[in-house]
Order: sequence, then C-alpha cells, then structure tokens
Amino acid sequence: GDSVTQMEGPVTLSEEAFLTINCTYTATGYPSLFWYVQYPGEGLQLLLKATKADDKGSNKGFEATYRKETTSFHLEKGSVQVSDSAVYFCALRITDSWGKLQFGAGTQVVVTP
Amino acid sequence: NAGVTQTPKFQVLKTGQSMTLQCAQDMNHEYMSWYRQDPGMGLRLIHYSVGAGITDQGEVPNGYNVSRSTTEDFPLRLLSAAPSQTSVYFCASSRGTGDPYGYTFGSGTRLTVV
Repeated sequence: GDSVTQMEGPVTLSEEAFLTINCTYTATGYPSLFWYVQYPGEGLQLLLKATKADDKGSNKGFEATYRKETTSFHLEKGSVQVSDSAVYFCALRITDSWGKLQFGAGTQVVVTP
Repeated sequence: NAGVTQTPKFQVLKTGQSMTLQCAQDMNHEYMSWYRQDPGMGLRLIHYSVGAGITDQGEVPNGYNVSRSTTEDFPLRLLSAAPSQTSVYFCASSRGTGDPYGYTFGSGTRLTVV
C-alpha cells in the first residue's frame, strides 16, 4: 500500500542554519504530496503542497519539490528561526481513495538561539 | 473564526468507561475524519465520512464508533475505553476529493485511559 517514510528526529539546529527533512514515498498512481507542521500543543497546519511531478510547493520560506524519479518530497528552509521549532509531517493523498491522507511518523525540529 | 472545533481538550477515563469526543466544522466541508496520533507513528486514520449519513472505517477502527447526522458534526465514540486508546485525537475536514488545500485540523483531544 501507499506509505511515507521521513527522517527520524529530533533535528537540532542553531538559528539561521539550513534545514532539510527527507521524505520519500511509495504509491500506486500519482499522489498529491503535503507537508504539515504541528506547533507545541496545537493541531496540524498545512505548510505546503504539490499535486504533480516537478511541482514546487513553498510557504513561509519553506520549499519542497515533487520528485517522481526519486519518489521524494524533501522539505528545505535556508535560514531557520526559533519559531520554526515544531514537528513536521510529510503526507500523501492516497490515489485510490476519496482523499485519505497517509502520514509519515513526523520529524521534530528544535531550533536554538 | 471558521475552522474545526474539538471538545474536550483533555480527558481522563477509567478502563471500561465510555465517552464521546466532539468535532464540529463551520466550513460546509463534506469530508470529515478522525485520526489518532501516537509517538513515532504519525497519524493513523480511525474513521471517515464523505457526507451526512455516510461513514466508513479507516486503518484503526476497532473500539470506536462514529455517526454523521449533519454536515457540521462528526462525533467519535469510545464504547469501552482501554489503556491502548490513550492517545491524542484529531478531527479533520476537507472540501472534497480534489481539494488541493488538504485538510483543516482541529486542535486535538488528549485522552488518557487509566
């Protein structure tokens, strides 16, 4: 079945460092891909999305490119802030369903001043 | 503010007790779902609904019931709570199958079963 694998955390960075969180997927068909962010004590918020190969999603300085050849959707940010400390989830919309999301396990990011 | 509202935010239950987690959305979304979040496992789908009167099981439905009598509400019932149901529960909604904006999530209910 469809699945998402993302790098384990926690990832600890200093402010202004470069962030990469790896995400790879297996899927039948052509899923839409998402990154969600969960700040402490809150629900998940959509960070960015891509619906087809080579699409680049971007938001709040974060970017991710839908790479069909490597089945990847890595999240990147060039200069992180303390406020980016959160748990990040990669997800795909299962193609043979009405729209169910399959999530990765989540990666905790801690940014220190 | 428009969105998904979950109540309660925290709950402690004794083994064998029953309770209902409430979820309501005011965005006229057709699709609603319940997820549970456990450490290291991401979010797993419990039940979902594609519209009023229509529900189906997700990945981990055992021990949970749902109903969808209105577009707005999608309650999750625990019939006889077990310690394995200790988790954080999220309700989510979306406009439809082709919704490019993904899901809108509630802020969660943290449930502890002792």
